[in-house]
Amino acid sequence: AQSVTQLGSHVSVSEGALVLLRCNYSSSVPPYLFWYVQYPNQGLQLLLKYTSAATLVKGINGFEAEFKKSETSFHLTKPSAHMSDAAEYFCAVSPGGTSYGKLTFGQGTILTVHP
Amino acid sequence: DGGITQSPKYLFRKEGQNVTLSCEQNLNHDAMYWYRQDPGQGLRLIYYSQIVNDFQKGDIAEGYSVSREKKESFPLTVTSAQKNPTAFYLCASSFGTGRYTFGSGTRLTVV
Repeated sequence: AQSVTQLGSHVSVSEGALVLLRCNYSSSVPPYLFWYVQYPNQGLQLLLKYTSAATLVKGINGFEAEFKKSETSFHLTKPSAHMSDAAEYFCAVSPGGTSYGKLTFGQGTILTVHP
Repeated sequence: DGGITQSPKYLFRKEGQNVTLSCEQNLNHDAMYWYRQDPGQGLRLIYYSQIVNDFQKGDIAEGYSVSREKKESFPLTVTSAQKNPTAFYLCASSFGTGRYTFGSGTRLTVV
């Protein structure tokens, strides 16, 4: 069984400030973890993913996330927010190391960036 | 370019009608999925299929049906038994683990 909890349904930051979106997971097997971004009425775009290699994962658009097994966390960060980062972000987990695995998503966090 | 095509982008359904959402992929992916998205609830899995002619229920399958007659296609039918079908529907496919591709979605509204 697997589940994801995203802490904070809405996060608001000023342009240039640090972005921190929190994600905690539960998985009965070693997980693969993902962060996706969604703009209104569009599909999901992959930001980054952890698949049991380096625990610090760098993604697109300056985002990165650190896999912390002891804390069962996979928080997403970006040093300096840009207006174009305003969107909804989803954390997701799948069973790692198998030939097939369905994604389980968190509830999503809407990021607002103020000028 | 390879990808997933969902159609239509917007769909309106009258009470008591069945409607079918199309999902086609040319990525040669084995597995395909349907998710439903509602505000504040993230994405919830409706049905998934690992191979042709086989599919399994996800977490919220009631009121929905699917078929997988071809590797490329995984249509979703929203039946009249689905009491609250207004939502954004996303189709996805995957190859192995960690490689998921999503369509651009269909927004279904009951009128």
